Amino acid sequence: GAGVSQTPSNKVTEKGKYVELRCDPISGHTALYWYRQSLGQGPEFLIYFQGTGAADDSGLPNDRFFAVRPEGSVSTLKIQRTERGDSAVYLCASSSSGVAWETQYFGPGTRLLVL
Amino acid sequence: AQKVTQAQTEISVVEKEDVTLDCVYETRDTTYYLFWYKQPPSGELVFLIRRNSFDEQNEISGRYSWNFQKSTSSFNFTITASQVVDSAVYFCALSEAGAGANNLFFGTGTRLTVIP
Repeated sequence: GAGVSQTPSNKVTEKGKYVELRCDPISGHTALYWYRQSLGQGPEFLIYFQGTGAADDSGLPNDRFFAVRPEGSVSTLKIQRTERGDSAVYLCASSSSGVAWETQYFGPGTRLLVL
Repeated sequence: AQKVTQAQTEISVVEKEDVTLDCVYETRDTTYYLFWYKQPPSGELVFLIRRNSFDEQNEISGRYSWNFQKSTSSFNFTITASQVVDSAVYFCALSEAGAGANNLFFGTGTRLTVIP
């Protein structure tokens, strides 16, 4: 079956602009995660959805970041007033039900560059 | 607080050599899960293995083996007879059963280069 897909694969924007990053999880997976990976670092947790609701958004760095998952499948990560420090690879992962022992399957990521 | 340390930033080996990637973790939970992921140059994280904190049995899968030792809080990964295709960044990660989000805490990764 299809894995996690993310679009766009690359996004270049200017400082101060708004961007949206999309994640399409594995079909039937109720849990969806967003991570951010800076150069030379491991992925860092941003937000976790269980179904349509954001069960934990403690990893979002500030209120410029927001994510939605209105129908419990596709999710969109939204970044307002982008800053150069937002440049990173944004990874999406999904798992069957979100329990700790489940494997999270990752998408290919969106590489965001803020000029 | 939880933490995953991969002290080896980069390792280079010649093809067919064995190589061990180290992972040390910290957690206050008694129930937790450890993972290894591979990130090839294409960028997508590929799941390799998952272990739970109650199962210290070592595991072998082909050329890959994992050594989990709770006494030293380590979960090391060995590749036997390395191949060029093994070149990638490898991440160790921790998930805690007590945490609400069950998100993964990653180490900083070890970049493995296998020289033909």
